[in-house]
Amino acid sequence: AQSVAQPEDQVNVAEGNPLTVKCTYSVSGNPYLFWYVQYPNRGLQFLLKYITGDNLVKGSYGFEAEFNKSQTSFHLKKPSALVSDSALYFCAVRFFLGGTYKYIFGTGTRLKVLA
Amino acid sequence: GAVVSQHPSRVICKSGTSVKIECRSLDFQATTMFWYRQFPKKSLMLMATSNEGSKATYEQGVEKDKFLINHASLTLSTLTVTSAHPEDSSFYICSARVGAGESYEQYFGPGTRLTVT
Repeated sequence: AQSVAQPEDQVNVAEGNPLTVKCTYSVSGNPYLFWYVQYPNRGLQFLLKYITGDNLVKGSYGFEAEFNKSQTSFHLKKPSALVSDSALYFCAVRFFLGGTYKYIFGTGTRLKVLA
Repeated sequence: GAVVSQHPSRVICKSGTSVKIECRSLDFQATTMFWYRQFPKKSLMLMATSNEGSKATYEQGVEKDKFLINHASLTLSTLTVTSAHPEDSSFYICSARVGAGESYEQYFGPGTRLTVT
């Protein structure tokens, strides 16, 4: 079955330190991979995506993600965390199945950046 | 960039009543929109795919008679929760698809918090 896993419910990091939010997937074929951020009582905001090409993808607000095909991972990273980065982060994959494109989300990881 | 709006942002209704949530694409046309439900501390669950001018496609386990979806125009899809019950309380998010084929983009609305008392 197709799935996306975010193994950590919450990640705490001190402001100024690097952060990593993990995502692994199990999807047949070559999926598109996405990261979204959600602030309280808000919809999802797009951060970045991987389609093909360079394994390191740069996105909004200084975030980047590294695609690792052998480990089927797409971890989100930022070199220096800000308190304002505190939010809920979702990894998602899009894949083609049964004649249509499907979109599935991970369970989300709450990032808390401590001042 | 493409903007998707939802109205209302919050709604409280009494058990047994119906409530309508609107999803609009503000600066583009969307033949396909999606409705998601998000439970507290949980991921988004796709409820249905809304196609302009045709019937919505519901995911397994979603009651189509309870969650009525109408995509009457290229910029508006509505979700009506009929005979709402407290267990329908949730955060509902819509998204609109732009483009076709494998490189389509999906833009999300800000969500609607429904509370059924």
